[in-house]
Amino acid sequence: QVQLQESGPGLLKPSETLSLTCTVAGGSIGSFYWNWIRQPPGRELQWIGYVHSSRSPYYNPSLEGRVTMSVDRSKNQFSLKVSSVTAADTAVYLCARERCNTGKCRFDSWGQGTLVIVSS
Amino acid sequence: DIQMTQSPSSLSASVGDRVTITCRASQDITDNLNWYQHKPGKAPKLLIYDASNLEAGVPSRFSGGGSGTDFTFTISSLQPEDIATYYCQQYDNLPRYTFGQGTKLEIK
Repeated sequence: QVQLQESGPGLLKPSETLSLTCTVAGGSIGSFYWNWIRQPPGRELQWIGYVHSSRSPYYNPSLEGRVTMSVDRSKNQFSLKVSSVTAADTAVYLCARERCNTGKCRFDSWGQGTLVIVSS
Repeated sequence: DIQMTQSPSSLSASVGDRVTITCRASQDITDNLNWYQHKPGKAPKLLIYDASNLEAGVPSRFSGGGSGTDFTFTISSLQPEDIATYYCQQYDNLPRYTFGQGTKLEIK
């Protein structure tokens, strides 16, 4: 059973860059799409984007321009960067593995999430 | 983007009750819908995929149905360990996924 664990700073100031890592244990990072999802306080889950070890990443257009994702196969990790953060980026950030088969997709493994607060 | 409207936002029921949550899509998504369970501080868990398929290892008291724009998620006999927030999620317009607002389930 694959396990995912998010890590990174929990407190940022406005205009800084959010940087999180998701470590994948119990399985290879190759051949899957790896996603970031966030949940602002009191709001619904928001999909941020995905990264793949051999394909181009794709980001939610609402965040495009500030988001960068990458994969480090040697460490079995993938990462998220969000630049120029504001209070609106305060959220629990979760990583998830996406499994797709003939166009049918689901997030079948998740991390437990990490809270990131943006405050001056 | 496709909007997902989930109801109710919260629900209080007794152990053994049948519980139903609904999710409505803003356009036809055929059966491209999944359901997740999320307990505080824990990783979300996939329960139902493709609207009605039970994920391996998930108890059979959980079920899903519907197609097109209207979907249901049902717990046939509520157990104490089912206390959680439940979310629907569409993947019809890949790769732009959206989630419902969530239903917080509590025990009476």
